Amino acid sequence: NAGVMQNPRHLVRRRGQEARLRCSPMKGHSHVYWYRQLPEEGLKFMVYLQKENIIDESGMPKERFSAEFPKEGPSILRIQQVVRGDSAAYFCASSPPEAGMNTGELFFGEGSRLTVL
Amino acid sequence: GQNIDQPTEMTATEGAIVQINCTYQTSGFNGLFWYQQHAGEAPTFLSYNVLDGLEEKGRFSSFLSRSKGYSYLLLKELQMKDSASYLCAVRDDKIIFGKGTRLHILP
Repeated sequence: NAGVMQNPRHLVRRRGQEARLRCSPMKGHSHVYWYRQLPEEGLKFMVYLQKENIIDESGMPKERFSAEFPKEGPSILRIQQVVRGDSAAYFCASSPPEAGMNTGELFFGEGSRLTVL
Repeated sequence: GQNIDQPTEMTATEGAIVQINCTYQTSGFNGLFWYQQHAGEAPTFLSYNVLDGLEEKGRFSSFLSRSKGYSYLLLKELQMKDSASYLCAVRDDKIIFGKGTRLHILP
């Protein structure tokens, strides 16, 4: 059973370009989280999605950032008109649908490291 | 609001025991997690507590007191490979992480 797959692992963009990060959850998982991590800091919640539904996006900046998790295909975190402050590691994690009252353990991908020049 | 506090850094000696504390204030509570993260790598799950008390798993144990909004992670027989960041996370309607505790192990 393949783990959570994120790509690209490393992405370099110039200011003003778009960054598109993809996350394929573990097989059978229907919930996806996106977190941002700056060097030597914790994981900052961005968005929590179910297939075709955004459950909580309270951690997403109101402009330039969007996320989706379509019925088919990976979840995508999109950052438009990137700025230097967007440089960070972006981690995706997934959990199974029955996690509601159980452990709800998150399984993390290896992260996508965005560098904005 | 939501707030999860843990020490920024700790240092311990190989073979010793270390306790990493976590306090939280959240609007709801549906479980507390501890994760380990080595530099440049993904976090990996260590433990989960939803009821008060101690959960033991090998060299690692985690304790929860819901009334005090308090948890700790206890690491025994420390090894050099335990040098990592330890992240406390709380779930109410979503999972929120603290800033992590960087643990340094001295030989």
